Amino acid sequence: GDSVTQMEGPVTLSEEACLTINCTYTATGYPSLFWYVQYPGEGLQLLLKATKADDKGSNKGFEATYRKETTSFHLEKGSVQVSDSAVYFCALMNQAGTALIFGKGTTLSVSS
Amino acid sequence: SAVISQKPSRDICQRGTSLTIQCQVDSQVTMMFWYRQQPGQSLTLIATANQGSEATYESGFVIDKFPISRPNLTFSTLTVSNQSPEDSSIYLCSGSPLGGYTFGSGTRLTVV
Repeated sequence: GDSVTQMEGPVTLSEEACLTINCTYTATGYPSLFWYVQYPGEGLQLLLKATKADDKGSNKGFEATYRKETTSFHLEKGSVQVSDSAVYFCALMNQAGTALIFGKGTTLSVSS
Repeated sequence: SAVISQKPSRDICQRGTSLTIQCQVDSQVTMMFWYRQQPGQSLTLIATANQGSEATYESGFVIDKFPISRPNLTFSTLTVSNQSPEDSSIYLCSGSPLGGYTFGSGTRLTVV
């Protein structure tokens, strides 16, 4: 069945460092792909999404490109801030349009 | 995108009791979903709730334990019945307007 694999965390970075969180997926066809963020004590917020191959989603300095050849959707940011500390979830939606399938989440901790 | 209000935000319940969680969406959505997030884990889909029909449950979840109502296109409830400490989790609802999935802020349930 469909699945999402994320790199294991936690990821610990200093402020202004570059961030990459790897995400790969297994799915039938070409699913829509999402990154969600969960700040401490809060619910999930949609960070960005891409609905077809080669699409780039971006928001708040974060970017991810839908790569069908490598079935990947890696999350990147050029310069992280302390306020980016959160758990990041990669997810896909299959072609049936049913509920999202989530990766296990990657915890990011940024120190000043 | 739609805004989902979820309540209660947290609760502490006694073993053997039931808790009903409510989700209200500020616009009509076709599908609503209920997820469980156990401590330190990713999100697991409990069931899909469609208006006018019984909810569809995922493997490992049953209606007797997690009854769901969906009386209209903007509202749904999830009940956690006969609670045990193993039910201590965050429960989240989401809705599927066009363009993506929006999540409620979650209900943090602790069963003692």
